[in-house]
Amino acid sequence: DTAVSQTPKYLVTQMGNDKSIKCEQNLGHDTMYWYKQDSKKFLKIMFSYNNKELIINETVPNRFSPKSPDKAHLNLHINSLELGDSAVYFCASSWTATGTGELFFGEGSRLTVL
Amino acid sequence: AQTVTQSQPEMSVQEAETVTLSCTYDTSESDYYLFWYKQPPSRQMILVIRQEAYKQQNATENRFSVNFQKAAKSFSLKISDSQLGDAAMYFCAYRRGLNDMRFGAGTRLTVKP
Repeated sequence: DTAVSQTPKYLVTQMGNDKSIKCEQNLGHDTMYWYKQDSKKFLKIMFSYNNKELIINETVPNRFSPKSPDKAHLNLHINSLELGDSAVYFCASSWTATGTGELFFGEGSRLTVL
Repeated sequence: AQTVTQSQPEMSVQEAETVTLSCTYDTSESDYYLFWYKQPPSRQMILVIRQEAYKQQNATENRFSVNFQKAAKSFSLKISDSQLGDAAMYFCAYRRGLNDMRFGAGTRLTVKP
């Protein structure tokens, strides 16, 4: 059973399109995250949600809209895709106040914008 | 300002030898967590080791150990008896607050047979 699962794992699309990436965790964690990893492998936090509430929005363009229907799911919708959005997007989850503090990551979703 | 700094973009080590990856961080907190994650070509992020700041003893996990210098805000990773499977990107991370983890730029480790 995959702890943090993302779909799709690969996504190729044209500029201007709208796309979504879904994430689900079955660890019972109360916090979920989206990270973007660029071509130089730099991992940058985009959003974090705690119990469906947005906690961190790290100066991400408005074209990116996260949605958390419940604490086990955090989806990422991207409007009007641009070339610079090409990256690997990682979903992660953790406990906020208990546990060992580590993040558990999904396998990543590679988005290619042509 | 960068919270986590990894000053070595690339490192290489001979198989069976020891290598140390450097990491420094910036914080005014006294209680926090530090981590090393490994990302092999499969791109899966794998936790290597964690350190709680309130613990003075350095964490160890089999061939992996850290040198945690709290006053110097330094957190280096030592890999002993390097194996070919250790080749990967290694990321140092600092947990900032309850819902925020920041990563360094990564160090690409090559293991030579």
